[in-house]
Amino acid sequence: QSALTQPPSASGSPGQSVTISCTGTSSDVGGYNYVSWYQQHPGKAPKLMIYEVSKRPSGVPDRFSGSKSGNTASLTVSGLQAEDEADYYCSSYAGSNNPYVFGTGTKVTVL
Amino acid sequence: QITLKESGPTLVKPTQTLTLTCTFSGFSLTTSGVGVGWIRQPPGKALEWLALIYWNDEKRFSPSLKSRLTITKDTSKNQVVLTMTNMDPVDTATYYCARYASGSYFYWGQGTLVTVSS
Repeated sequence: QSALTQPPSASGSPGQSVTISCTGTSSDVGGYNYVSWYQQHPGKAPKLMIYEVSKRPSGVPDRFSGSKSGNTASLTVSGLQAEDEADYYCSSYAGSNNPYVFGTGTKVTVL
Repeated sequence: QITLKESGPTLVKPTQTLTLTCTFSGFSLTTSGVGVGWIRQPPGKALEWLALIYWNDEKRFSPSLKSRLTITKDTSKNQVVLTMTNMDPVDTATYYCARYASGSYFYWGQGTLVTVSS
């Protein structure tokens, strides 16, 4: 099972928006509405930001939003803030025999 | 409050077997739909999913590591144990356990760094 493809980096100025893509196949992203996004600051454990494509766990700001079209999912961070600078990973359910696959990760820089 | 914590050796020798324990609180692994999974991250690299055990004792493994992994649970102790055989230096990573539900890992442990070296 190959990792989902993400751009290595993305950036934006404070207050701007940044969108990260996550490309998979019809066997994972395109086949199920179980796409998640995780934020990871250096030296810290990942934190769930989006689940089931577009749902936010309690406590996650509504500046974070998720969507999906075909085999590609996207995370948009609006109104960028300094604390949003982190690595972001997408993931997807990929079937009962290999139920989980992560993306390659994107480093978001707030300029 | 849901918490998870990984424990185990910080250093293992090549060819040895790694045993990691995830001790959790704030939820039960007998609740329908809930699971505990293991994820690792080599230094400076991406997350890699390893294994998952469900509330009903069903187990799933990464196809590339399936032959080397075992996962078990002890609901009375609120623990999940992962074993990985034939460790190699490329297995050096931070290993995380996390609570699984609705296709996602909502809660994570702090992680434990395991170094494989002779």
